[in-house]
Amino acid sequence: GAVVSQHPSRVICKSGTSVKIECRSLDFQATTMFWYRQFPKQSLMLMATSNEGSKATYEQGVEKDKFLINHASLTLSTLTVTSAHPEDSSFYICSAAQGASQRSFFGQGTRLTVV
Amino acid sequence: QQQVKQSPQSLIVQKGGISIINCAYENTAFDYFPWYQQFPGKGPALLIAIRPDVSEKKEGRFTISFNKSAKQFSLHIMDSQPGDSATYFCAASMAGGTSYGKLTFGQGTILTVHP
Repeated sequence: GAVVSQHPSRVICKSGTSVKIECRSLDFQATTMFWYRQFPKQSLMLMATSNEGSKATYEQGVEKDKFLINHASLTLSTLTVTSAHPEDSSFYICSAAQGASQRSFFGQGTRLTVV
Repeated sequence: QQQVKQSPQSLIVQKGGISIINCAYENTAFDYFPWYQQFPGKGPALLIAIRPDVSEKKEGRFTISFNKSAKQFSLHIMDSQPGDSATYFCAASMAGGTSYGKLTFGQGTILTVHP
């Protein structure tokens, strides 16, 4: 299947700092990517839709100023968690859909721990 | 509003047995129904998917059964193996526009296969 690469896989940061997470589609172009958040033993909750060349679309309740999304190319989307707090600690996962098949592939996920 | 409901929450099966996970959806605009497998600390991996124009799809030991009138679909894992122990998510999406590739997930099922 198609490959979506996410980096870093784990990050620990201090409260008040910012963290950037990268999501790359390695073998296909993705005009749209998605960012999900997952708490332990829970399902994936969609945070935002990342659109290449335009503003991201955020789900209700997600602070767009805290979770900055940039989709500068057809293969790269980034999520920046700004002024991170311990409650932002979670597993963040990106996905991209391949072509007309609607098949979505996920990155490996990023475990963020804010101390 | 939870648009995709998944059951059971957890499932224990003996090696060689059949694992069955069920999902029900509400939005009749959904037209793509994938199942994902997730191991701890990893992103979800696409297992198998189905569209509403077929009632069953089989790939190896994995089979999806789809009942459009009841708005239900299920995953059957034949000859379950200890290596199948993971969390399984059903999902649904619709084609077109800003919804392309956007997945709504069920709550997840933790499958444990005993040797």
